Amino acid sequence: AQKITQTQPGMFVQEKEAVTLDCTYDTSDPSYGLFWYKQPSSGEMIFLIYQGSYDQQNATEGRYSLNFQKARKSANLVISASQLGDSAMYFCAMREGLSGAGSYQLTFGKGTKLSVIP
Amino acid sequence: ETGVTQSPTHLIKTRGQQVTLRCSSQSGHNTVSWYQQALGQGPQFIFQYYREEENGRGNFPPRFSGLQFPNYSSELNVNALELDDSALYLCASRESYQGISEAFFGQGTRLTVV
Repeated sequence: AQKITQTQPGMFVQEKEAVTLDCTYDTSDPSYGLFWYKQPSSGEMIFLIYQGSYDQQNATEGRYSLNFQKARKSANLVISASQLGDSAMYFCAMREGLSGAGSYQLTFGKGTKLSVIP
Repeated sequence: ETGVTQSPTHLIKTRGQQVTLRCSSQSGHNTVSWYQQALGQGPQFIFQYYREEENGRGNFPPRFSGLQFPNYSSELNVNALELDDSALYLCASRESYQGISEAFFGQGTRLTVV
């Protein structure tokens, strides 16, 4: 079974509008972290936002917020006030078994290509 | 700007050859991970090095190997290249004592095997 599922291969959004990118995950580990990364065409993965499994509140970072629904195992990314520079691939990722110096394997979904229309 | 740099940016190799990809991490980041990203896919974890020792490995064969050096640089070596090794290779570094710190990625090396 896929550990990270992103069901939207591509999304379009009008500039200045909000958009939600979906992510569901599968784990039996009670301690895990969820990440969203942005990958422009240049290839670099840019960290956007993080949500820990024990965090009580949804994470927010500027125009990015994470809609964390633990019981449904979903961690959707919400981008408010979309900008042309937001056009990129977006990846949801999970790290299980949070610890300090242990393996930091991130499991990624297949990504969603977001296109912002002027 | 993440402070993680990779070289070269692009590389073309012939099937059966060997290749070395390089990564320079941020100072103080003693954990480095390597990922392979095939076209149209998300990155897949290859392995991780912590204080110059491998301490985690994904589902990749032994012909994928690595080295980490005290100066926060690291290498990914791939022997006996196959056509399916064509991909974007990403390295990511972090300060491992911060248990939930994000990983900072380089811009990647795009490897083409012909």
